Amino acid sequence: TQLLEQSPQFLSIQEGENLTVYCNSSSVFSSLQWYRQEPGEGPVLLVTVVTGGEVKKLKRLTFQFGDARKDSSLHITAAQPGDTGLYLCAGAGDYKLSFGAGTTVTVRA
Amino acid sequence: DVKVTQSSRYLVKRTGEKVFLECVQDMDHENMFWYRQDPGLGLRLIYFSYDVKMKEKGDIPEGYSVSREKKERFSLILESASTNQTSMYLCASSLIAGGRNEQYFGPGTRLTVT
Repeated sequence: TQLLEQSPQFLSIQEGENLTVYCNSSSVFSSLQWYRQEPGEGPVLLVTVVTGGEVKKLKRLTFQFGDARKDSSLHITAAQPGDTGLYLCAGAGDYKLSFGAGTTVTVRA
Repeated sequence: DVKVTQSSRYLVKRTGEKVFLECVQDMDHENMFWYRQDPGLGLRLIYFSYDVKMKEKGDIPEGYSVSREKKERFSLILESASTNQTSMYLCASSLIAGGRNEQYFGPGTRLTVT
């Protein structure tokens, strides 16, 4: 059983469309991170959110941390083919991260 | 930039062989981690280490052991490889500051056990 549930599992959209990926848990985390992984490579950290209710923007990506620090969302505006990849959320504990199973995003040109 | 390197990108081993996967980081991070990644299951923690010669079991340590003799190097050992250990293995390192534990990953080793 995953500590963090991500939805949807797969997402395929046309270039220029918007998308949202969700990450939910019953546990409270000290921080939550989003990573993107491309085929054959390791995950790369996109952002860390720490404060409940926090919103962070990274160009066309908007990350939100829930008020109770149990859930998060990633919104991509005007998606581009370069946004294609596996998006992973991870909640931080003492020394460990707990990862969701990931959302595979495909942006078609 | 943090760099985490892994000894091999691809490995093919036979059932029963002893397998060594090595990971090196160049940012003087205290913490290092080994995960395996399987489709639909995400990343699962095998072992981690928060200091030299220290190790802690993760969520799925069975069939694996680790070694950390130097701060920059963390090795994963499969004592007797089995086909259910065919997977992508990812190493990561981190500093823990302010509850963040931001991890930096290597490129992964895709291990096939036949």
